[in-house]
Amino acid sequence: AQTVTQSQPEMSVQEAETVTLSCTYDTSESDYYLFWYKQPPSRQMILVIRQEAYKQQNATENRFSVNFQKAAKSFSLKISDSQLGDAAMYFCAYRRGSQGNLIFGKGTKLSVKP
Amino acid sequence: EPEVTQTPSHQVTQMGQEVILRCVPISNHLYFYWYRQILGQKVEFLVSFYNNEISEKSEIFDDQFSVERPDGSNFTLKIRSTKLEDSAMYFCASRFFQGVSYGYTFGSGTRLTVV
Repeated sequence: AQTVTQSQPEMSVQEAETVTLSCTYDTSESDYYLFWYKQPPSRQMILVIRQEAYKQQNATENRFSVNFQKAAKSFSLKISDSQLGDAAMYFCAYRRGSQGNLIFGKGTKLSVKP
Repeated sequence: EPEVTQTPSHQVTQMGQEVILRCVPISNHLYFYWYRQILGQKVEFLVSFYNNEISEKSEIFDDQFSVERPDGSNFTLKIRSTKLEDSAMYFCASRFFQGVSYGYTFGSGTRLTVV
């Protein structure tokens, strides 16, 4: 069975600094997708970034980028120029193939200090 | 931007009562999902729905749960006889098969409190 592990229950970053959130996963599949979701206090789930496993190039969305290491089964999220609005729970998620459901990690609570 | 709408935002119910959580997915989306998140825990998959039938379900989705798309727009989750441990945030999500995009859109969730 696939699993997703986020080893950092909480992280803290100074405003304008850079922070990296870790995620590892376990799978024997070759076709899969990886996601980072943000959950602010409102508890809505907001997609931050996604990565297709077949792509070697790391995904980037503005201040958010990933470091996808397929052999190591690692998928970390880097937030550059952190802003107060980035404070939230961040969930790493895995999906098998094109039709599987999402498997989430336990989340990392990110605090941003002014 | 299109949204997934969930109602109610918060529901309180007595143990043993039936509840129906409602979702309006994005209109051209084809795949529908329910997830739940017990307070302080990770988000867990419940069920996926495609072409008017369940395509996959988790161990959590037992006989107490059912899903329906009664009118082509709403997508409902029914819990027949609620238990205290059903208290959680329930998220609806939908997805349109867009080649390699496969993006999910989540609703804002329904907080279910069973007392």
